[in-house]
Amino acid sequence: EAQVTQNPRYLITVTGKKLTVTCSQNMNHEYMSWYRQDPGLGLRQIYYSMNVEVTDKGDVPEGYKVSRKEKRNFPLILESPSPNQTSLYFCAVGLNLGTQYFGPGTRLLVL
Amino acid sequence: AQTVTQSQPEMSVQEAETVTLSCTYDTSESDYYLFWYKQPPSRQMILVIRQEAYKQQNATENRFSVNFQKAAKSFSLKISDSQLGDAAMYFCAYRSEQGGAQKLVFGQGTRLTINP
Repeated sequence: EAQVTQNPRYLITVTGKKLTVTCSQNMNHEYMSWYRQDPGLGLRQIYYSMNVEVTDKGDVPEGYKVSRKEKRNFPLILESPSPNQTSLYFCAVGLNLGTQYFGPGTRLLVL
Repeated sequence: AQTVTQSQPEMSVQEAETVTLSCTYDTSESDYYLFWYKQPPSRQMILVIRQEAYKQQNATENRFSVNFQKAAKSFSLKISDSQLGDAAMYFCAYRSEQGGAQKLVFGQGTRLTINP
C-alpha cells in the first residue's frame, strides 16, 4: 500500500526549541515537497526535492531547513521555531501526471 | 507567477442536490495540470479529480466532474447527488513548473456543507 508517513502528527513546543518533522515514503518516487496550510491562505510550498541531495526553496522557506540524504526520507527542520510557524504541515510525494500524494499532516503549535 | 482564486469561502447544498464550486487561475503557460483536492475534518488531502490542459474533454470521476474553460482560465467542480460524506474543504490547485520548480499552487479553499 502506497504510504506517506509523518511524525509527529501533533506537536506543542516553545519558541526557540529546535524540532524536526519527519516524512517517509514507500513509493520510490524522486520528488518530495513540504507545504504549510494556514486559514484563508490554502497550502503554500516551503521546500521541495527533485532527488537525493537536490533540494530547493519554495514560496515560504524562511525559518525552515530540509535535507534529502536518502530517497525515502525528507525531514523538515525548524532550527528556532517562532509562533508564526504555528501551522498544519504536509509532506507530499510527486506521482505521475503532476499528481501529488499527501501525508496525513502534522499540526504544530509554537508557544 | 501563477495564482489560483476560489471566490466562494463557503457553500452549502441539500443532500442529493448538485453544487458547483468555482475556481479561476492565472497563468502564461499553455500546458499544465489542474486539480481539485478534498480535505475532510481528518485534514487528509485527498485528490478528487485532475484535468490536463491539453485535453479538451472535461474530466469526470463518478459524481464529480469539472467544467474546464481554458480561454477563460476557469476550472469549476460539479458534485452531483451530494452526499453527507462530501462535506469538506475543497481546494483548487494548479501545477506549476516555472523555473524548474514543481509545485502545486492552491486556492484559498471553499468549505462545503451538506444539509440533510
